Amino acid sequence: SYVLTQPPSVSVAPGKTARITCGGNNIGSKSVHWYQQKPGQAPVLVIYYDSDRPSGIPERFSGSNSGNTATLTISRVEAGDEADYYCQVWDSSSDHPIFGGGTKLTVL
Amino acid sequence: QVQLQESGPGLVKPSQTLSLTCTVSGGSISSGSYYWSWIRQPAGKGLEWIGRIYTSGSTNYNPSLKSRVTISVDTSKNQFSLKLSSVTAADTAVYYCARDGYYGEAYYWGQGTLVTVSS
Repeated sequence: SYVLTQPPSVSVAPGKTARITCGGNNIGSKSVHWYQQKPGQAPVLVIYYDSDRPSGIPERFSGSNSGNTATLTISRVEAGDEADYYCQVWDSSSDHPIFGGGTKLTVL
Repeated sequence: QVQLQESGPGLVKPSQTLSLTCTVSGGSISSGSYYWSWIRQPAGKGLEWIGRIYTSGSTNYNPSLKSRVTISVDTSKNQFSLKLSSVTAADTAVYYCARDGYYGEAYYWGQGTLVTVSS
């Protein structure tokens, strides 16, 4: 089945830009969604269909998807952005969504 | 604003059936082109999609769980439910219900409920 690969952790200083990648075979041909999950809370959709933002999500969050890598970019990182981030795609071969393993974003 | 709330036993014995219900408020479960999903997360681990039901009642399940999962909907109560049979300790997790779109993008989530499988 389809596999999504995320780095286990990413660290960034406040005010800098964080980039979290999600790798998959020809992922650029799929629609990628991104979730933010803080400890003890349910995930929150922050990017859908590669680069769209739900209402209420700051413009600092953006997404891109091409080739074998999708990227979630968080600009001007704040302490409150510290969380686990998961990518997700729909695997058409098995007809169900697949999640990446998650990336822990640490704000230094 | 759509809200979802999971309910059900927090402790289930091995080999028994886990049963959870998700109550939807702020909108009708039978309106719109939405899917109603169950997703789980073992402690300290990632998210695992269990399955979903469409407003028409059609379902699809994670192949790895398909033989043990049933998802159903009760439109009169604005609820949908999960049954997972023959549970083991590996089924211990926080279980979330969610509303999502065609490609699984989950806009709304319940707060999650911890289910522990133990004798």
